[in-house]
Amino acid sequence: EPEVTQTPSHQVTQMGQEVILRCVPISNHLYFYWYRQILGQKVEFLVSFYNNEISEKSEIFDDQFSVERPDGSNFTLKIRSTKLEDSAMYFCASSEVDSNQPQHFGDGTRLSIL
Amino acid sequence: AQSVTQLDSQVPVFEEAPVELRCNYSSSVSVYLFWYVQYPNQGLQLLLKYLSGSTLVKGINGFEAEFNKSQTSFHLRKPSVHISDTAEYFCAVIRTQGGSEKLVFGKGTKLTVNP
Repeated sequence: EPEVTQTPSHQVTQMGQEVILRCVPISNHLYFYWYRQILGQKVEFLVSFYNNEISEKSEIFDDQFSVERPDGSNFTLKIRSTKLEDSAMYFCASSEVDSNQPQHFGDGTRLSIL
Repeated sequence: AQSVTQLDSQVPVFEEAPVELRCNYSSSVSVYLFWYVQYPNQGLQLLLKYLSGSTLVKGINGFEAEFNKSQTSFHLRKPSVHISDTAEYFCAVIRTQGGSEKLVFGKGTKLTVNP
C-alpha cells in the first residue's frame, strides 16, 4: 500500500538555526498538509497546500514557517530561526481532492530544539 | 469553529474485554468524522470514517464507531481487545463544506490492554 514518507525521523537543531523537514506524499494525491504535536498536546493543523500554493493556514503558521513543493515528489516545511517551543513531532499528510477522502499520515519527524 | 473532546485520556483494560473510547464534537456546520490510531513510534493510521449514511461504521482491526447526531458523539468500540490494540486513539473532524481541509483532532486516548 502506498504511504507517506518523512525524513529525517529525528532532527536535533540549535535554537536560532533553520531546519527543513521533508515529506514524500502519496504519488496520486493532490492535497498536502503539515500538522504538529507538541508533547502531551493535541495534533494541530499548520498548513494545507494545493495546486502549488497554500490553501489554508493556521495562526501558528506565521512568517517563521514556509512550505514548498520543489519538484514533483517532495513537499517540505522550512522553519527559520527556530525557537525552543518549536520542539514537537511534525506530521506530513496527503489526500485526494475532496474533504471526504481521508488524509494519510507519515510517521512524523521529531524535532528537538536545544 | 470545530472542536473535539475525548473524555478519557487513558483507558486501561484487560485482554478480551470490550472497550469504548468516547468522542464528542462541537461544530456549527456538518462534519465528517474520523478515528485514527497511533502505535508507538509510528504515524497516524486511519481506523474508520463517517461521511454519511448508516450511523454505524466498521473499520479495521475489528473496531466500529457509531455516529449520534443528537448527542454529537462518535464513540469507538471493540467487543474484545487484544494486547496489540495498545496505542493512542485520536478522534477528528473535518468540515464537509466551505473549502477547509484541516482536520481538527481531540487530545487522544491512550488505550492500554493488559494480559
